[in-house]
Amino acid sequence: DAGVIQSPRHEVTEMGQEVTLRCKPISGHDYLFWYRQTMMRGLELLIYFNNNVPIDDSGMPEDRFSAKMPNASFSTLKIQPSEPRDSAVYFCASSVTGYEQYFGPGTRLTVT
Amino acid sequence: AQSVTQPDIHITVSEGASLELRCNYSYGATPYLFWYVQSPGQGLQLLLKYFSGDTLVQGIKGFEAEFKRSQSSFNLRKPSVHWSDAAEYFCAVGSTGRRALTFGSGTRLQVQP
Repeated sequence: DAGVIQSPRHEVTEMGQEVTLRCKPISGHDYLFWYRQTMMRGLELLIYFNNNVPIDDSGMPEDRFSAKMPNASFSTLKIQPSEPRDSAVYFCASSVTGYEQYFGPGTRLTVT
Repeated sequence: AQSVTQPDIHITVSEGASLELRCNYSYGATPYLFWYVQSPGQGLQLLLKYFSGDTLVQGIKGFEAEFKRSQSSFNLRKPSVHWSDAAEYFCAVGSTGRRALTFGSGTRLQVQP
């Protein structure tokens, strides 16, 4: 059974460029979460979806960040324009109930 | 608002020794509690969870944790540590209604041969 799939695993981009991170949740999981991990702030929730609908986006840092879930098997997190302070590991997680969450391998983003 | 404290940033134990990682939470009602493990460059793997019922829960890889409401704690234990247990461990709390987890800052475990 495939776990959560994220792509790319590593992304290096220049400041000002658009970055798109992708996530495929585990089949049958109705909840999808985007987290960000940094040394300074640890793991923090950005946004989560239930049945493809955004439920809580209070963690999205600012308007430069946007997330979509066009269908049950795909979600994107977009940063436009990117800034060096966006450098972090971005995790996608999915869940059946929303409580027990299963994480993907993460995307390490470096903005120079 | 809920919060999680992991007081130990870094712990070193000898292989074969017992392990206890501390976790304290702050939440008004009965929390949902989790322990995750993260190996370098990897995602987070769920070790165990507590929702209700028996306060001693068993997880994967020989780990267990005990929920103590009076102490607001959910400490992770393992009787005999293996070198492959070296990783970072995160305690997390969830609450009824809001699905997002709040994570502690993590404890990095180093295992000496």
